Amino acid sequence: EPEVTQTPSHQVTQMGQEVILRCVPISNHLYFYWYRQILGQKVEFLVSFYNNEISEKSEIFDDQFSVERPDGSNFTLKIRSTKLEDSAMYFCASRVRGELFFGEGSRLTVL
Amino acid sequence: EDQVTQSPEALRLQEGESSSLNCSYTVSGLRGLFWYRQDPGKGPEFLFTLYSAGEEKEKERLKATLTKKESFLHITAPKPEDSATYLCAVSGGYNKLIFGAGTRLAVHP
Repeated sequence: EPEVTQTPSHQVTQMGQEVILRCVPISNHLYFYWYRQILGQKVEFLVSFYNNEISEKSEIFDDQFSVERPDGSNFTLKIRSTKLEDSAMYFCASRVRGELFFGEGSRLTVL
Repeated sequence: EDQVTQSPEALRLQEGESSSLNCSYTVSGLRGLFWYRQDPGKGPEFLFTLYSAGEEKEKERLKATLTKKESFLHITAPKPEDSATYLCAVSGGYNKLIFGAGTRLAVHP
């Protein structure tokens, strides 16, 4: 069964460092998303991406965040200068019609 | 403001003891109500999308229903492997889901 794959599964970084989280969405999907979940809290929307551009972003998605689809298969989330409060699980998702599928997540720990 | 409230926060059931989880929502122009299962440390696993009041969908021991104000996830004769957090989310557009805090379900043998 097709699935969304994410790497790395866990990344530990120092505050102020740049981090890139990678995702391979399901191949025939056209809409891509990043969500995050701080430990013990709700899943929160970060950004949606369609037709090679951002279609919507949340207040969380400030200038420190960026997304890119560098080739036909990968979808990346970059955090330029990490903060302690960026520690969370980051989920990539992709959608076809009404079904939105999530990856297993990348756990980011900022020290 | 779009909002999702799930109840109860936690539910403990004996194996075979059927029950229902509630998801109340407010959204301007519902484009879909989603149910997911989430295991600890894992990503949400897609279960159902419901679009309009009166719609029902089933999958194994799970059945989801939708009204204009809320959705229910009915669990019939649950097994220990159904233990997980069940998440409800709504979409008022095509771009994002608004999630509830989830219901933690524990099913004991």
